[in-house]
Amino acid sequence: DGGITQSPKYLFRKEGQNVTLSCEQNLNHDAMYWYRQDPGQGLRLIYYSQIVNDFQKGDIAEGYSVSREKKESFPLTVTSAQKNPTAFYLCASSAHTGIQYFGAGTRLSVL
Amino acid sequence: DAKTTQPPSMDCAEGRAANLPCNHSTISGNEYVYWYRQIHSQGPQYIIHGLKNNETNEMASLIITEDRKSSTLILPHATLRDTAVYYCIVRVATSGTYKYIFGTGTRLKVLA
Repeated sequence: DGGITQSPKYLFRKEGQNVTLSCEQNLNHDAMYWYRQDPGQGLRLIYYSQIVNDFQKGDIAEGYSVSREKKESFPLTVTSAQKNPTAFYLCASSAHTGIQYFGAGTRLSVL
Repeated sequence: DAKTTQPPSMDCAEGRAANLPCNHSTISGNEYVYWYRQIHSQGPQYIIHGLKNNETNEMASLIITEDRKSSTLILPHATLRDTAVYYCIVRVATSGTYKYIFGTGTRLKVLA
């Protein structure tokens, strides 16, 4: 069935390690987004992409990188430069209506 | 970018209407207002959106003031399952695409 799939559900990062969070959608949406959510806080935009091979930085892009090689996929890499990566990461896609559809999220912790 | 402000928390009795306010006083004329809710540790769920007219769907109603500086989400008959954090969001056009400005949300607790 259609939707946004994020994996893994839980992820642990060691010091100095890069980790990649997966986001796949089969909704045929052009736009995709990555958000970070800290405990008790709202969502903050990390990166967004309107079309394949193009993406823009959001409000908190430092320490993160993305790629958009396929319409269906928008992986997020948390680099070692992100000193405080522990958070809940949410991926979303949107259609022309502007309605965003969210995945179930990935919870990242530091070992 | 347009920003939203919401009360941090509200309580509502089960079966009564829940009215959740949102202030977006700097919204521009072509920026939509969207409402989502998030149940603990899940992805946000879309509820409703509008530009300047009032809107209604099977989940809720959205009332937008004539000057568009504020809106109210109405859950007509709140149930315990409506307990969640509700986000009022403005969609902003930027560099040929859109991004969504999330506020800090209102934590709604529906009481039995």
